[in-house]
Amino acid sequence: GAVVSQHPSWVICKSGTSVKIECRSLDFQATTMFWYRQFPKQSLMLMATSNEGSKATYEQGVEKDKFLINHASLTLSTLTVTSAHPEDSSFYICSARDARDIQYFGAGTRLSVL
Amino acid sequence: QKEVEQNSGPLSVPEGAIASLNCTYSDRGSQSFFWYRQYSGKSPELIMSIYSNGDKEDGRFTAQLNKASQYVSLLIRDSQPSDSATYLCAVNLGSWGKLQFGAGTQVVVTP
Repeated sequence: GAVVSQHPSWVICKSGTSVKIECRSLDFQATTMFWYRQFPKQSLMLMATSNEGSKATYEQGVEKDKFLINHASLTLSTLTVTSAHPEDSSFYICSARDARDIQYFGAGTRLSVL
Repeated sequence: QKEVEQNSGPLSVPEGAIASLNCTYSDRGSQSFFWYRQYSGKSPELIMSIYSNGDKEDGRFTAQLNKASQYVSLLIRDSQPSDSATYLCAVNLGSWGKLQFGAGTQVVVTP
């Protein structure tokens, strides 16, 4: 199957700082990537859809100024959590859609904000 | 509101038995369906995709689709302890390949 790389896998930061998470499709081009958040014992929650070369589409209730998404190439999307606070602590997962419309997931990033 | 529903479980299955997971969806226009497996603390990994009515087999896994009944299922044959995980049913909403996920069914395979 296709490989999606996500970095970092773990990040601990102080409240008020910004954190950038990278998502790369390694062996295919992804015009669309997705960013999810998952809290313990809960299902995946889609945050935004990221299309290469255009602005991301955010789901209702997700603050676009807080969660900045950039999809600068067909293999790379980044999520920046700006001015992170403890309530932003969560498991962030990206996925990339291939030409057959199948989403492959990165390994996820566990964010802890102190 | 488009919905995907699964029994949350846990579904307890003896080792070597067949695990049967069910999923229903509300959007009649959906054309693509997926099963993902998610181990605790890990991200989802794709098990199967299915697009046409009927059965699709891949190793110990069989996906079944019935669009008229808006029903997707996953069978796991010869269940192993390593199959213990949460299984997510996902339906393509057609908008940029966006998926609607069910809440997941937790499967516990007991030795």
